[in-house]
Amino acid sequence: QSALTQPASVSGSPGQSITISCTGTSSDIESYNLVSWYQQHPGKAPKLMIYEDSKRPSGGSDRFSGSKSGKTASLTISGLQAEDEADYYCCSYAGSSTLVFGGGTKLTVL
Amino acid sequence: EVQLVESGGGLVQPGGSLRLSCAASGFTFGSYWMSWVRQAPGKGLEWVANIKQDGIDKYYVDSVKGRFTISRHNGKNSLYLEMNSLRDEDTAVYYCARAPLFYFDYWGQGTLVTVSS
Repeated sequence: QSALTQPASVSGSPGQSITISCTGTSSDIESYNLVSWYQQHPGKAPKLMIYEDSKRPSGGSDRFSGSKSGKTASLTISGLQAEDEADYYCCSYAGSSTLVFGGGTKLTVL
Repeated sequence: EVQLVESGGGLVQPGGSLRLSCAASGFTFGSYWMSWVRQAPGKGLEWVANIKQDGIDKYYVDSVKGRFTISRHNGKNSLYLEMNSLRDEDTAVYYCARAPLFYFDYWGQGTLVTVSS
């Protein structure tokens, strides 16, 4: 149950696109199509942005997209907006009905 | 509207016990896996425990096995987390979350547990 690896921080200017990576192992990300991504603003509960690697929840913004290759999943945010500034967490199914989160990435909109 | 409301957090001494509750509404509670996720102050998210719809199958992160017990009462639309032998490192905001298929689509507002002497 080792945490997934995310960059501590990323930044971008309004209108740009950024990508946050999430690296796991052959026991989690690579073995299942069950990576999810969460956005968390300070003092707030997390919000689901992507599930099952690349699916968006109903009503979710199409500026957010997810992908995966091997042991690494990615979250891409296009057309960056000020309100996208938040912490982002990836999460993967890790077998035997357990889950593991990444350490989180702080997104700064310049 | 789906709502999850946690309660039961507070200050407890190391070695003590606490029971968290989560009241669910706006969906058929008994049809979903449910989970507890925690976040230590200034730190990231950590999955703590899952419970299947029938309340029989339960799963835990290694660090809480043998100390925490997740349970549910489908008739009362409620989820629980019994926490024993609490340690300093259990200090966190504890979130209740609905888990359709090993992801979390709705979250409560969280309840703070502080373990300190």
